[in-house]
Amino acid sequence: DTAVSQTPKYLVTQMGNDKSIKCEQNLGHDTMYWYKQDSKKFLKIMFSYNNKELIINETVPNRFSPKSPDKAHLNLHINSLELGDSAVYFCASSQEGIEQFFGPGTRLTVL
Amino acid sequence: QKEVEQNSGPLSVPEGAIASLNCTYSDRGSQSFFWYRQYSGKSPELIMSIYSNGDKEDGRFTAQLNKASQYVSLLIRDSQPSDSATYLCAVNNQGGKLIFGQGTELSVKP
Repeated sequence: DTAVSQTPKYLVTQMGNDKSIKCEQNLGHDTMYWYKQDSKKFLKIMFSYNNKELIINETVPNRFSPKSPDKAHLNLHINSLELGDSAVYFCASSQEGIEQFFGPGTRLTVL
Repeated sequence: QKEVEQNSGPLSVPEGAIASLNCTYSDRGSQSFFWYRQYSGKSPELIMSIYSNGDKEDGRFTAQLNKASQYVSLLIRDSQPSDSATYLCAVNNQGGKLIFGQGTELSVKP
């Protein structure tokens, strides 16, 4: 059984488009996260939700908007995509903010 | 100063040797420390967590934490080619964020 899943796995799109990435966890965790891993493999947190409430909101362009419909799901919508948004986006989850478990990632390529 | 620093490597060791990976952090109030392994094209996989000073062993892996020196390390005994990956040190800072180092690439040569 997949613990943290993301869709899609790959996303190739044109500059200026709007796209969404979805994440689901079946671990019963109360906290979910979005991370961005750039081309140099540096992994940086973007957002975190605890029981549907936004608790971490890093300095990210407001073109990025997370949404958590329930504590098992966290989506990321990106408006007006730019070349610099190309990266791998990872969803993760944890219980009470301790050990975090990552999804398989979504590789976003903006052309 | 970066919040979490690692030697970027690559670190190359022969099969069967001990691989030693090091990490320093800047937030003295940090309480939770983690090592993740990431194979190329895959997601980070949690391999060790450590919360108190000293050593914690799990199979071939030993994590060491020294809060006074703000230093955490990972030893891999009897290194195998399948251990070749990037190892990410992560520290939960006082703000509740998990901060990652830039990763150390390990190559185990047969």
